[in-house]
Amino acid sequence: DQQVKQNSPSLSVQEGRISILNCDYTNSMFDYFLWYKKYPAEGPTFLISISSIKDKNEDGRFTVFLNKSAKHLSLHIVPSQPGDSAVYFCAASALGNQFYFGTGTSLTVIP
Amino acid sequence: NAGVMQNPRHLVRRRGQEARLRCSPMKGHSHVYWYRQLPEEGLKFMVYLQKENIIDESGMPKERFSAEFPKEGPSILRIQQVVRGDSAAYFCASSPPMGAVGETQYFGPGTRLLVL
Repeated sequence: DQQVKQNSPSLSVQEGRISILNCDYTNSMFDYFLWYKKYPAEGPTFLISISSIKDKNEDGRFTVFLNKSAKHLSLHIVPSQPGDSAVYFCAASALGNQFYFGTGTSLTVIP
Repeated sequence: NAGVMQNPRHLVRRRGQEARLRCSPMKGHSHVYWYRQLPEEGLKFMVYLQKENIIDESGMPKERFSAEFPKEGPSILRIQQVVRGDSAAYFCASSPPMGAVGETQYFGPGTRLLVL
């Protein structure tokens, strides 16, 4: 069963515009969420995280929003840059246990 | 400060052979996780280990797969009698001792296993 879902396998955005990547989860016990970025032939790289006590966390061009009632989180990248083109995974865990990953969204930023 | 190291980066095996994948966690990290990524799929959790202990192996296939993290040396994921369906990218991640809430995991570059 897929407890973390990324329903958009791909997304294309013009350079300079906002990229919004979405993630939904089913387990209400999840209390910690992360976004990873992955380039081809490399391991995922940690990008940004948020705990369930917050609804927003910002780091430079990257902002993660958490809507607990909707069991939804999103990653906003603004402004988008060509170097942001990669696959983005969201992940969630409950009480410090294993992480569940989504299937990823491939972002292409068009120059 | 070296990151998570995995070797080999690429591994080719014939059906029925054994595959041994190694992972050295980041310095100061005592927790190791193994994930598998099949083509066109996301990362699937396999096993979570601390030194000399398997904490959670709920994602490990029941047969042919085993993992260890000895007191000295790297963590090893071992696949016996490999089949073509084992072809995938295997990622290792490490984290420091857990706090009250989940700790960030840092990933290695992965080992790409191809079974002929």
